[in-house]
Amino acid sequence: AQSVTQPDIHITVSEGASLELRCNYSYGATPYLFWYVQSPGQGLQLLLKYFSGDTLVQGIKGFEAEFKRSQSSFNLRKPSVHWSDAAEYFCAVDPNYGGATNKLIFGTGTLLAVQP
Amino acid sequence: DAEITQSPRHKITETGRQVTLACHQTWNHNNMFWYRQDLGHGLRLIHYSYGVQDTNKGEVSDGYSVSRSNTEDLPLTLESAASSQTSVYFCASSDRGPGGDTQYFGPGTRLTVL
Repeated sequence: AQSVTQPDIHITVSEGASLELRCNYSYGATPYLFWYVQSPGQGLQLLLKYFSGDTLVQGIKGFEAEFKRSQSSFNLRKPSVHWSDAAEYFCAVDPNYGGATNKLIFGTGTLLAVQP
Repeated sequence: DAEITQSPRHKITETGRQVTLACHQTWNHNNMFWYRQDLGHGLRLIHYSYGVQDTNKGEVSDGYSVSRSNTEDLPLTLESAASSQTSVYFCASSDRGPGGDTQYFGPGTRLTVL
């Protein structure tokens, strides 16, 4: 079945450590890919997105993500985590079958905790 | 500044009652979406609209309806609320265009059905 998978439900990292959140999808060859962040009690905010071109994309708050077509992955990374990064992170996909549908399919999210 | 608002932010209702959740955006976006968020499921699409008078069913549309009479608003109605519809509901909007546009989310409505 087509899906967006975030295999890590919870991740805990120490402040200042590096971070990688995983996302795999099973849609077509050229989906549009997104990472959103949700702070407690808040709506979702876009961190970054990939449509085409350079497979390494930069986002807000020092985040980046790399699209790897061969692995159907779009992992989110940050070199040094800050306590304010504690939140839930969602990967999302627009399957882009014959053009953007503008509908997103979301993964189940990864909850990030940051230890001092 | 343009924004997307939802009301009410919190709602408690009883089984069988009709409930309407409001969503209003001032981005002048063509596309609007309703999602529900539940533990272990992420966000699931309920209904969406690509413009005035256009509505479409999403993944979990049973028991919900929407109408789009203007660009700014997409109210979500629960015809007869059920306990299974206890959830957090998010509205989002995006503009039409190539490349899968960014969706902007409202702050959410927490609905409890007793």
